[in-house]
Amino acid sequence: NAGVMQNPRHLVRRRGQEARLRCSPMKGHSHVYWYRQLPEEGLKFMVYLQKENIIDESGMPKERFSAEFPKEGPSILRIQQVVRGDSAAYFCASSLVPTRTGGFPGELFFGEGSRLTVL
Amino acid sequence: AQKVTQAQTEISVVEKEDVTLDCVYETRDTTYYLFWYKQPPSGELVFLIRRNSFDEQNEISGRYSWNFQKSTSSFNFTITASQVVDSAVYFCALQPTSGTYKYIFGTGTRLKVLA
Repeated sequence: NAGVMQNPRHLVRRRGQEARLRCSPMKGHSHVYWYRQLPEEGLKFMVYLQKENIIDESGMPKERFSAEFPKEGPSILRIQQVVRGDSAAYFCASSLVPTRTGGFPGELFFGEGSRLTVL
Repeated sequence: AQKVTQAQTEISVVEKEDVTLDCVYETRDTTYYLFWYKQPPSGELVFLIRRNSFDEQNEISGRYSWNFQKSTSSFNFTITASQVVDSAVYFCALQPTSGTYKYIFGTGTRLKVLA
């Protein structure tokens, strides 16, 4: 039973290039969360998506960053015109449809992260 | 406001010492989950424990133990007889049941266990 798969694991880009990070959720999971971890910092929420919908993008920078989770295929986090400050680890997590049974939501399962280095 | 505070930025101990990592959280939700994760130098997140807000029993797993105190909004993590392999960054996280169920992470505590 494969876990959350992220690729590439490591990505190097020059300033001004585009970075695309992919996340394949666990089988049967239709909810995806993206987090960013800047060097020596904690994980910060970026965006929450369901299939074909962005539900919460309150943590996403307004410019250059976008995310999608199409009906078929992985979720993509896209960073246009990368800058050095975008260098970070980007983690994806997936969950089943959150349930309100007993008031407890679904657990998030994290991928191993994609490490972006901007030269 | 939903928030997790890990006041200890870095802790160094000598092997075989016990060490406690502190975690204090804030939430207005009455139901929520709390987590601890380990992030070794290789960078992945290793799940350690998930605890729901109705279960205040302390938990022990080998050399690891967790003390959940709702009255003080704390969920502390103790490693007994620490080992060099325990050296890592440890994150505490909160999952509220309101909103989008996203995890809110603390800033982490870097633990260095010296031989």
